[in-house]
Amino acid sequence: GEDVEQSLFLSVREGDSSVINCTYTDSSSTYLYWYKQEPGAGLQLLTYIFSNMDMKQDQRLTVLLNKKDKHLSLRIADTQTGDSAIYFCAEVVNTGGFKTIFGAGTRLFVKA
Amino acid sequence: EAGVAQSPRYKIIEKRQSVAFWCNPISGHATLYWYQQILGQGPKLLIQFQNNGVVDDSQLPKDRFSAERLKGVDSTLKIQPAKLEDSAVYLCASSFDGTLDTQYFGPGTRLTVL
Repeated sequence: GEDVEQSLFLSVREGDSSVINCTYTDSSSTYLYWYKQEPGAGLQLLTYIFSNMDMKQDQRLTVLLNKKDKHLSLRIADTQTGDSAIYFCAEVVNTGGFKTIFGAGTRLFVKA
Repeated sequence: EAGVAQSPRYKIIEKRQSVAFWCNPISGHATLYWYQQILGQGPKLLIQFQNNGVVDDSQLPKDRFSAERLKGVDSTLKIQPAKLEDSAVYLCASSFDGTLDTQYFGPGTRLTVL
């Protein structure tokens, strides 16, 4: 089956690190994505990781993938108030064509 | 490069009325997606077009929803008649060729059905 689960809320202080977690069920996932959605806006791709990688770093963002446990995490270093948004985990599955399955999103609150 | 454009940004209608949303994808993108995002949930794919052909419409409620992309560029999504549970943000996205490439999202149309 296809399902992506995330915790709904995370609150951190400015300057701390944030870690947003996600679990997925489809072992045939090829890519896994993190999207950011700010109020009133569409989704913006933050970063992605191939399923044959276990880590990817991109400036303040670090993505860790544990394929055995089907667990994906996004770490934001030195979190800023501008990072407050909803973060969506998504997996791309091959169902004869490529389909993107989104989690419900984690709302990140950054306190000044 | 211009992004994905959608209109209107907001729409309020009464149940049983009809409504239509418009999307203009990024120039040169062959693949266009319509997603429904209910409050507190992630986007759910309604329909995917490759040029002007439908690739996946398995989650489109075809008794009331319809979509077209006649010239392989702009697309419209219609709901007729609307129900209360159709209240959501309707997101349009486009990608270059619909394989494993990045989807670019528009700002969405927020629909409220009273």
